[in-house]
Amino acid sequence: DADVTQTPRNRITKTGKRIMLECSQTKGHDRMYWYRQDPGLGLRLIYYSFDVKDINKGEISDGYSVSRQAQAKFSLSLESAIPNQTALYFCATSDGLAGGTDTQYFGPGTRLTVL
Amino acid sequence: AQSVTQLGSHVSVSEGALVLLRCNYSSSVPPYLFWYVQYPNQGLQLLLKYTTGATLVKGINGFEAEFKKSETSFHLTKPSAHMSDAAEYFCAVSDVRGYSTLTFGKGTMLLVSP
Repeated sequence: DADVTQTPRNRITKTGKRIMLECSQTKGHDRMYWYRQDPGLGLRLIYYSFDVKDINKGEISDGYSVSRQAQAKFSLSLESAIPNQTALYFCATSDGLAGGTDTQYFGPGTRLTVL
Repeated sequence: AQSVTQLGSHVSVSEGALVLLRCNYSSSVPPYLFWYVQYPNQGLQLLLKYTTGATLVKGINGFEAEFKKSETSFHLTKPSAHMSDAAEYFCAVSDVRGYSTLTFGKGTMLLVSP
């Protein structure tokens, strides 16, 4: 079984709808991250969490919110989806034991299309 | 603020040829540097990373990278490309204060022809 899973893997929705993307991990890591990937732009950090009580905004948090329900679960919500949120979304985890040298482990991604 | 620049959005090589993917960084403090690879329809996985010590870093699948402080570079190389190396490669720099957040470059797609 995969260590970092994301659901759904693909989602098509309409403008204005509320969408939740879910991430679960079995690696026992404290740190979790949400990124979006757009062609030609690389990955950009949306939110990150270093433990259940710690939530931080990343580079592009506007229009998004997150919830850290447990050590293993980190959800990303789009309260009112808009077309320019169409992208590939990745969840990642790290153990936080090596400071800035942590390896991040990525899920398989969720492809979101907003019509 | 730190940043990463990857030169070339696409690089094409023939099977057996040298692979060279370029990465330059900007950081006000000594950086931690990473290369990640993304195979089609998959998430990213770590190829290699530079933290401290030896500036030539070896990674998985025969890749290596050299940290050159004077050139603010961390180029990725492989002596002989294989068809299975076709993927997108991302260079990233870490916040050295220990927050583990990564700033990624825009990526370079490696195309390998027979």
